Amino acid sequence: GAVVSQHPSRVICKSGTSVKIECRSLDFQATTMFWYRQFPKQSLMLMATSNEGSKATYEQGVEKDKFLINHASLTLSTLTVTSAHPEDSSFYICSARAPGTDFSPLHFGNGTRLTVT
Amino acid sequence: GQNIDQPTEMTATEGAIVQINCTYQTSGFNGLFWYQQHAGEAPTFLSYNVLDGLEEKGRFSSFLSRSKGYSYLLLKELQMKDSASYLCAVMDSNYQLIWGAGTKLIIKP
Repeated sequence: GAVVSQHPSRVICKSGTSVKIECRSLDFQATTMFWYRQFPKQSLMLMATSNEGSKATYEQGVEKDKFLINHASLTLSTLTVTSAHPEDSSFYICSARAPGTDFSPLHFGNGTRLTVT
Repeated sequence: GQNIDQPTEMTATEGAIVQINCTYQTSGFNGLFWYQQHAGEAPTFLSYNVLDGLEEKGRFSSFLSRSKGYSYLLLKELQMKDSASYLCAVMDSNYQLIWGAGTKLIIKP
């Protein structure tokens, strides 16, 4: 149980274009999802917390107008990287907490490797 | 500030035992997680400790000492597939996860 699906797994886009990444909880409802970014050989960096039916909470230093998050249903959150630039190239990973308590472990999607040329 | 420390890289031999340490300083403590991350893949959950002591799960065990701000992940009977990064993460008083940079474990035949 507690499967999180992320799509696409890999995307290459040109500088200035926008890219949408989808994150779905397949067998449970997730009122909260988390979006992370990971650069090579570095740890996970939380970008934002996605809340179903309300605005996302962004971490300090993350531009909310550049990284648009929509959490329209209890099983789907999307991250749109707008006007992408080469420095946005990274590994983006979504996660959701398994049903239960605040102490339940996070389950991660398989990640999206974004390359901006 | 909040801080998680773990070694950057470790090397071990197939069939042996390896211990990966993690020390932390956080504002509050609501548990410590260990995750495994293979190169190019997302992390997968290994263990959760909130009370002091050892939690054993097959070949993997995790230990916690809250008074020392210390945990370790013990991997026994190492297999080549255990080559991965191991991430330590602490949940603080706001239920936010603070992540370590990960320990890259290299297994040699």
